[in-house]
Amino acid sequence: QKEVEQNSGPLSVPEGAIASLNCTYSDRGSQSFFWYRQYSGKSPELIMFIYSNGDKEDGRFTAQLNKASQYVSLLIRDSQPSDSATYLCAVNDGGGSNYKLTFGKGTLLTVNP
Amino acid sequence: GAVVSQHPSRVICKSGTSVKIECRSLDFQATTMFWYRQFPKQSLMLMATSNEGSKATYEQGVEKDKFLINHASLTLSTLTVTSAHPEDSSFYICSAFQGAGGEQYFGPGTRLTVT
Repeated sequence: QKEVEQNSGPLSVPEGAIASLNCTYSDRGSQSFFWYRQYSGKSPELIMFIYSNGDKEDGRFTAQLNKASQYVSLLIRDSQPSDSATYLCAVNDGGGSNYKLTFGKGTLLTVNP
Repeated sequence: GAVVSQHPSRVICKSGTSVKIECRSLDFQATTMFWYRQFPKQSLMLMATSNEGSKATYEQGVEKDKFLINHASLTLSTLTVTSAHPEDSSFYICSAFQGAGGEQYFGPGTRLTVT
């Protein structure tokens, strides 16, 4: 059974700091990796996706992928109170399962002003 | 791009009635859509995969006769909760994928309350 593990948190950081969110996955054949942000009472919003080993940067967000160690992380620089949300890591196997995603349970991030 | 809408956003119904939820991809065609359910403070639970022009694929433990899915066009999938009961009260969210890597974009969700 494919598993995606995340620390449930809460992770608390001060405003302006770097927030680091981590995720490990069990299926070594996984091809695509996603980070979603979910505010309380809202649906998930895609913020980053990464397919290749290494770093991918988009504004204040950087996704890091290490397939050998089976982990993917998300760094949020200059954290803002508006970044306070649950961050979901998701993994798929690249198409063999109709692009179904396996989600972690999410990490709750709180950014303190 | 990659906008998914859902209607209604919120619905209250009486026990025993049926409720239909619509999911639309607004700016792209979606041959596959997904339906999730989320209870308070819990993670997303995939209910079924909706395939345009064919039967939906349900996850283990999801009653296909209770949660009817119809994907009649490349931009519309519907979920009908039949004979709803209070335990069906939940946040129902659809998604559609677009992109080579299967990025899923979520609709805003439908909050169902069964009284």
